Amino acid sequence: AQSVTQLDSQVPVFEEAPVELRCNYSSSVSVYLFWYVQYPNQGLQLLLKYLSGSTLVESINGFEAEFNKSQTSFHLRKPSVHISDTAEYFCAVSVDSSASKIIFGSGTRLSIRP
Amino acid sequence: DAGVTQSPTHLIKTRGQQVTLRCSPKSGHDTVSWYQQALGQGPQFIFQYYEEEERQRGNFPDRFSGHQFPNYSSELNVNALLLGDSALYLCASSLVDNTEAFFGQGTRLTVV
Repeated sequence: AQSVTQLDSQVPVFEEAPVELRCNYSSSVSVYLFWYVQYPNQGLQLLLKYLSGSTLVESINGFEAEFNKSQTSFHLRKPSVHISDTAEYFCAVSVDSSASKIIFGSGTRLSIRP
Repeated sequence: DAGVTQSPTHLIKTRGQQVTLRCSPKSGHDTVSWYQQALGQGPQFIFQYYEEEERQRGNFPDRFSGHQFPNYSSELNVNALLLGDSALYLCASSLVDNTEAFFGQGTRLTVV
């Protein structure tokens, strides 16, 4: 079975500061890795994903995540956050390519202080 | 493109009642998955439908059932509601064998 652990339930940071949201996973088979974002009162949106190839993946709004197989981690980073990044962030894994049975972590609430 | 749409947005039901939630997938998508997101937790996979059949199921009791129609829309039914069924229910659509799932805004179910 697969599981996802997000080590921080809340991360408060100041605007324009860097941030790292931590994610570790457990699986006996190869997995696909995702970060989803949930803005207040909205559904989930895919932020970025790792399927294969380069271990560093980037989103269009400046976030990046690096797949580290030896540490079974997929931490999310951004060098400079904005107020608009305030949201809940979910790390997730899937064991097949069909977007079925995505296993989510418990989420990290990112709050940006001006 | 309207994306994934769910109805209703909010619902209040009494313990023991039955409820039906609806989902229309993103245009062109043929696969629908349902998730339960309890307050303060991540979404948990309930089941997935493709070609009008349940393709995979998570660890949910038989009180949770679903259906997919020929137009790919889907329903989630929950019988004998419990207080613990109160949650945000999310629908996600995708193309079969594609990794990217698109989520709707969810239905907030409150059981009193």
